[in-house]
Amino acid sequence: TQLLEQSPQFLSIQEGENLTVYCNSSSVFSSLQWYRQEPGEGPVLLVTVVTGGEVKKLKRLTFQFGDARKDSSLHITAAQPGDTGLYLCAGVIFGGSNYKLTFGKGTLLTVNP
Amino acid sequence: NAGVTQTPKFQVLKTGQSMTLQCAQDMNHEYMSWYRQDPGMGLRLIHYSVGAGITDQGEVPNGYNVSRSTTEDFPLRLLSAAPSQTSVYFCASRQDSYNEQFFGPGTRLTVL
Repeated sequence: TQLLEQSPQFLSIQEGENLTVYCNSSSVFSSLQWYRQEPGEGPVLLVTVVTGGEVKKLKRLTFQFGDARKDSSLHITAAQPGDTGLYLCAGVIFGGSNYKLTFGKGTLLTVNP
Repeated sequence: NAGVTQTPKFQVLKTGQSMTLQCAQDMNHEYMSWYRQDPGMGLRLIHYSVGAGITDQGEVPNGYNVSRSTTEDFPLRLLSAAPSQTSVYFCASRQDSYNEQFFGPGTRLTVL
């Protein structure tokens, strides 16, 4: 079983602060996905990183895939209350005609005005 | 497009009762999956399907059955509900192995 450890589990910050969420594993993944989930809704895909060392930016969010494709980070610059939500990372491993998606336990982010 | 829809939104069952959680998608996706989400446990895969007539077990399949008679629908059946099945259930679909997975809004199930 491939395990994904996310940290921190909870994060409460003030508007305008920066933060980083980490996703670590001992397993190598084909790619890694980051989702954001709001209360009462399903997760929504933010980004997929595929290549070791890859960096992707989505407005104030920066996603990085580790060189060895075992870890990833999400950095938010100048957090806004609208960034509040549960952030999930998910590692992808391809096998045959399907792929296995392993989710981390999530980071619950609260951005206070 | 409605995307992935799930019914009901909320359900309360007594131990031993059976029920079916409905999931439908209108994107003509081949792949569909059921997950459960529990506090501190993340999302865990229950069953999945790679096309009509084809289903397979995920990480936590015990106590659940699925079938896929059409591309659009992927119902999840609880045979004899237990308190351990209290959870939020999400259905998801994607076109193939390489594309984005879309999640439904979830069904919050409580088993007393």
